[in-house]
Amino acid sequence: DTAVSQTPKYLVTQMGNDKSIKCEQNLGHDTMYWYKQDSKKFLKIMFSYNNKELIINETVPNRFSPKSPDKAHLNLHINSLELGDSAVYFCASSPLAGVYEQYFGPGTRLTVT
Amino acid sequence: AQTVTQSQPEMSVQEAETVTLSCTYDTSESDYYLFWYKQPPSRQMILVIRQEAYKQQNATENRFSVNFQKAAKSFSLKISDSQLGDAAMYFCAYRNRDDKIIFGKGTRLHILP
Repeated sequence: DTAVSQTPKYLVTQMGNDKSIKCEQNLGHDTMYWYKQDSKKFLKIMFSYNNKELIINETVPNRFSPKSPDKAHLNLHINSLELGDSAVYFCASSPLAGVYEQYFGPGTRLTVT
Repeated sequence: AQTVTQSQPEMSVQEAETVTLSCTYDTSESDYYLFWYKQPPSRQMILVIRQEAYKQQNATENRFSVNFQKAAKSFSLKISDSQLGDAAMYFCAYRNRDDKIIFGKGTRLHILP
C-alpha cells in the first residue's frame, strides 16, 4: 500500500501551459507539504497545509496555487509555466506540524520546454 | 534564521568500511528535530534516522548512527559496514516546533566495490 502517492510521476509540457500535480496520503496525517527540488538537488519547502489550512507559503510565485479538498489530498496547480519551473516536485505528509518526520511521495519530474 | 550546512558535496567509501557525513546547523532554539534522509537514484526520499534535540542519547538505526553535539550544533551520520545499496544523496534536515523545515544541500555518497 502506497503511503504518499503523486500523479503523474513525469510531466512534460510547453511554456505558458497550466498543469496540476495531485497528491494523496493514506496515513491519516494532519499536515501535508509541497517541496521543489532543483537541478542541483536543493530541496526547498513551498507550501504546508494543516487540516486544510495553509500555514506556510515560502515566497512562491502566485502562479503556484495549492488546493486541499480534504486533509488526505493536497494538489498543486501551476499557471503559465516557465522554463525555470522545471524541477522535481515532492509531496510529503506528517502526523503533526512541527514534530516527527515527514513521509515523502515518489516525486513528479516536471519538464517545461 | 536557521541554516543547515553539509560541507561535503561528495564522498566515497570502500564497501564494508565506515564513513561519516557531516552536518552543522545554526539555530537559537532549544527544541527541535534533526533528520537524515537518503535519496537513491530512484529519487524517493527515505528517512534514515531522527534525533530529538532534548534527548542526549545519540540515535541509532542498525548500521546508521548519529553523533549529536547540541552545544556545537553538529549532527553527523555514521554508516558502518557500508553496502552498495547505501549509495545515494544524503540530506540533513532541521525542523522546529513552528514547523520551519530546512534541508542541507546534500552529500552524494559513492560506495566503491
